[in-house]
Amino acid sequence: ELKVEQNPLFLSMQEGKNYTIYCNYSTTSDRLYWYRQDPGKSLESLFVLLSNGAVKQEGRLMASLDTKARLSTLHITAAVHDLSATYFCAVDMRPAGNTPLVFGKGTRLSVIA
Amino acid sequence: GAVVSQHPSRVICKSGTSVKIECRSLDFQATTMFWYRQFPKQSLMLMATSNEGSKATYEQGVEKDKFLINHASLTLSTLTVTSAHPEDSSFYICSARQAKGTQYFGPGTRLLVL
Repeated sequence: ELKVEQNPLFLSMQEGKNYTIYCNYSTTSDRLYWYRQDPGKSLESLFVLLSNGAVKQEGRLMASLDTKARLSTLHITAAVHDLSATYFCAVDMRPAGNTPLVFGKGTRLSVIA
Repeated sequence: GAVVSQHPSRVICKSGTSVKIECRSLDFQATTMFWYRQFPKQSLMLMATSNEGSKATYEQGVEKDKFLINHASLTLSTLTVTSAHPEDSSFYICSARQAKGTQYFGPGTRLLVL
């Protein structure tokens, strides 16, 4: 059974600071997603990481994937208040099949002045 | 990008009534759709996998007679919550999967059962 663990689950950080959210998963997979969720809203896709060593950046967020370590990171640079949200990673066991994504528990990020 | 819609976006109903939620893939054919439920401050929990033209596969602990899923076409899946109770109040999110695997999420339906 695939398990996905995120840490931390809660993160309060000051504006301007940097931090990393970690996502570990238990079985082999070569497709990992990061999503953002604002209160009362559905999921917004941030990144799709498709291969070992993949790195993607969008604004102050950068995501990476190490399939050998079964680890993905979401790095936040110089945080701003607008980044406050819950961030989920999700792993796709069989991209070519009909299996669902397996989600981590989410990291609730609060950026304070 | 691909778009998935859900209707209604929010619904309030009385205890004991049934509620139907629609999930549509607007610009692609989805052979598989997934239904998730999310309680406040929790992650998404998979309820069932819906394949077009066949019976849905339910996750352990999800009552198939209570949560009826119909996937009648490649662009539409419906979830009917039968005899709803207050504990069924939740945020229901569907996702639709393209043939090559990319999964797209709907905007969610907030259900409140009084």
